[in-house]
Amino acid sequence: EVQLVQSGAEVKKPGESLKISCKGSGYSFTSYWIGWVRQMPGKGLEWMGIIYPGDSDTRYSPSFQGQVTISADKSISTAYLQWSSLKASDTAMYYCARQVWGVVPAASGWFDPWGQGTLVTVSS
Amino acid sequence: SYVLTQPPSVSVAPGKTARITCGGNNIGSKSVHWYQQKPGQAPVLVIYYDSDRPSGIPERFSGSNSGNTATLTISRVEAGDEADYYCQVWDSSSDHLFGGGTKLTVL
Repeated sequence: EVQLVQSGAEVKKPGESLKISCKGSGYSFTSYWIGWVRQMPGKGLEWMGIIYPGDSDTRYSPSFQGQVTISADKSISTAYLQWSSLKASDTAMYYCARQVWGVVPAASGWFDPWGQGTLVTVSS
Repeated sequence: SYVLTQPPSVSVAPGKTARITCGGNNIGSKSVHWYQQKPGQAPVLVIYYDSDRPSGIPERFSGSNSGNTATLTISRVEAGDEADYYCQVWDSSSDHLFGGGTKLTVL
């Protein structure tokens, strides 16, 4: 069974750093991109960025470029999302998801499966 | 930048057909994927490549895409279909993009 398991909920103060994780199993971790998606309380899904664990090629949404860092350790099949200085506005649920890529009928990617989510709360 | 527009809410009676739209400029030239998110749960893929269903997704879920509108259709709606639904596209210039989401209410 293809599965992504994320680290547990975090409560942090503004200015603190944080690194959350997403461990893949049941498939070749180095052969699929892993994406990160933010969902603020009561809001919709926002794509943050994506990494290819095979060579650590990484792309960011312009909205999140410079705000977070995405990395991966292929030796332990784990992707990471980290912040160097959290803000209250970073309070959200964060999901990782495996990107599936297709080329027929046209090049496109979608996300399946998703991790269970990591709730990050930033409050003084 | 490209924008995907979904109605905030759709309501339907049990047993009827729900149609959730996703609008975008010439979206018919892109491939559209759909996700279902029930309260307190992670999103689940229900349609990919406009109209393909992953294994385990009921045949009641179908999709279409043409012109400026993609549509997720849920036939014979059940109470368990009540959820938020999101469309998503991939574009070579903007990578991944999600619609704002539609809350489906089963009356």
